Amino acid sequence: GNSVTQMEGPVTLSEEAFLTINCTYTATGYPSLFWYVQYPGEGLQLLLKATKADDKGSNKGFEATYRKETTSFHLEKGSVQVSDSAVYFCALSENSGYALNFGKGTSLLVTP
Amino acid sequence: EAGVAQSPRYKIIEKRQSVAFWCNPISGHATLYWYQQILGQGPKLLIQFQNNGVVDDSQLPKDRFSAERLKGVDSTLKIQPAKLEDSAVYLCASGRGRTNTGELFFGEGSRLTVL
Repeated sequence: GNSVTQMEGPVTLSEEAFLTINCTYTATGYPSLFWYVQYPGEGLQLLLKATKADDKGSNKGFEATYRKETTSFHLEKGSVQVSDSAVYFCALSENSGYALNFGKGTSLLVTP
Repeated sequence: EAGVAQSPRYKIIEKRQSVAFWCNPISGHATLYWYQQILGQGPKLLIQFQNNGVVDDSQLPKDRFSAERLKGVDSTLKIQPAKLEDSAVYLCASGRGRTNTGELFFGEGSRLTVL
């Protein structure tokens, strides 16, 4: 079945460091891919998405590119801020309207 | 636009007791989902509704969990009897349905502790 594997945390970075959180997926078809973020005390919210191969999703300085050849959707940010401290979840959806399958989440802590 | 509302935010019960969670999705959203998020893990789908019909409940432990979405709007998730391993955050999410590109909108969750 469909599944998502993401790197384990916690990840601790200094402010302005470069961030990469790895995510790979297994799917029978051509899923849509997502990154969701959960800030402390808040609900999950969509960070970015890509619906087909080679698409790049971007938001708030974060980027991820849908790589079909490596079945990956790695999250990157060039310069993290303390306010980026959160848990990040990679997810896939087989089709529009279908449920999301989530990875286990990666906790990010950014220190001043 | 109001977000997804859930209640209660926190609930502590003893094992073998029952509990119910309520969810009010974003107005007009056709699909509604209940997820279970155990500490340190990603959310796991329990049940998906399209309007008031069940689309997928394959991972719902039906011997103790039940859910309904009357009139295609609000939904309740019930656990009876609760077990220790049911301690988790129960997330409700809604979406526009098959016309969207997969984005779901989540509530803040209901945290259940079973003693």
